[in-house]
Amino acid sequence: GAGVSQSPSNKVTEKGKDVELRCDPISGHTALYWYRQSLGQGLEFLIYFQGNSAPDKSGLPSDRFSAERTGGSVSTLTIQRTQQEDSAVYLCASSSTRLAGVTGGELFFGEGSRLTVL
Amino acid sequence: ILNVEQSPQSLHVQEGDSTNFTCSFPSSNFYALHWYRWETAKSPEALFVMTLNGDEKKKGRISATLNTKEGYSYLYIKGSQPEDSATYLCAFDYGGSQGNLIFGKGTKLSVKP
Repeated sequence: GAGVSQSPSNKVTEKGKDVELRCDPISGHTALYWYRQSLGQGLEFLIYFQGNSAPDKSGLPSDRFSAERTGGSVSTLTIQRTQQEDSAVYLCASSSTRLAGVTGGELFFGEGSRLTVL
Repeated sequence: ILNVEQSPQSLHVQEGDSTNFTCSFPSSNFYALHWYRWETAKSPEALFVMTLNGDEKKKGRISATLNTKEGYSYLYIKGSQPEDSATYLCAFDYGGSQGNLIFGKGTKLSVKP
């Protein structure tokens, strides 16, 4: 696609429910990131994929969070048993290159998925 | 813990004013410094990716400088316009194995007509 696409743009859910957020990166971009911004906070890194592989999942806030990427393209971020502190804007970004130690590679962001947990 | 600081947190200026903000980052393990503009209800957009000490980049009325030895970057906006109102984010690339950028909390700029 022309840009990074995220869905849903808005999600309101009840505490304890599972949610799935989707990211469709720019075609051909090998690197994909998930960040989130909670109210009043900066962008918090969650996870990075190079192709279908996530080298390090330690950025995920808890074991209720999981992410996968298939076919080197679409990624889903799943939050199980949502809690109120999960409320945030979840941003996905992609870039054409993102190997460790390789400079450059601006990130192209989607418009985000705003999650509200009641 | 890698920390990126931005100041000021927010800024209110009049149309036509020139302004600048600061991004401070670790002076070791430097690979690149990114600047992004994030307008309300839109996606963050890259302004600059800077890699060399002493680098200066310009895009229209917006320019940025980089000092990797002391760990800071300045973003300048000349003759601010209402459409410049946005949050400006800087992000530090330390070449980590995670591949992620460490973002500051941003400077929120409001330009009054």
